[in-house]
Amino acid sequence: SQTIHQWPATLVQPVGSPLSLECTVEGTSNPNLYWYRQAAGRGLQLLFYSVGIGQISSEVPQNLSASRPQDRQFILSSKKLLLSDSGFYLCAWSVRRLAGEITDTQYFGPGTRLTVL
Amino acid sequence: AQTVTQSQPEMSVQEAETVTLSCTYDTSESDYYLFWYKQPPSRQMILVIRQEAYKQQNATENRFSVNFQKAAKSFSLKISDSQLGDAAMYFCAYRSTANYGGSQGNLIFGKGTKLSVKP
Repeated sequence: SQTIHQWPATLVQPVGSPLSLECTVEGTSNPNLYWYRQAAGRGLQLLFYSVGIGQISSEVPQNLSASRPQDRQFILSSKKLLLSDSGFYLCAWSVRRLAGEITDTQYFGPGTRLTVL
Repeated sequence: AQTVTQSQPEMSVQEAETVTLSCTYDTSESDYYLFWYKQPPSRQMILVIRQEAYKQQNATENRFSVNFQKAAKSFSLKISDSQLGDAAMYFCAYRSTANYGGSQGNLIFGKGTKLSVKP
């Protein structure tokens, strides 16, 4: 069966410090990967998605970046954190079929709670 | 652009009773997917149920069922025999089947409904 991991689970960082959040998926190959952010009291906002190694699409201009160095690894980064980067970050995956066709269901990891002070 | 609206910020239900959570959406597409996700206090998003727009039959998963009204663009979730473990935030989400622009397969979420279950 497929599993998705995220770490760290909780992170407290000072303003201006760098950030690296990691997401890995097991039990599947060539997944589509997604990064979402959930601010307090709000729904989820898609930040980035990836359909393959080195292929990253950004949905929202921001202080963050994403990378996919391996097929089942997705990393969310920042060079200098802002207070507004605080939130709950969720990684998700979905099955990718041939020729970039997307299947329908996304499965989420346990999330990382980021507090920027 | 598609939007998803959950008009009930909070709902409460007595244990063993039935509750219905509302969701409406706006789209010009004819084919799409709809989802209900549950987010318990642990904050992990858990898929509850999904519905393909081309299917007229309402989806059912054990105690969870949906009332999908395509013409009205309504997608409500019914929880029967509510249990304490059902207490959570519930999010309705929409996903287009079209791969246009850069938004391939991305989910559009409502703002959620917080469900409390009273013992």
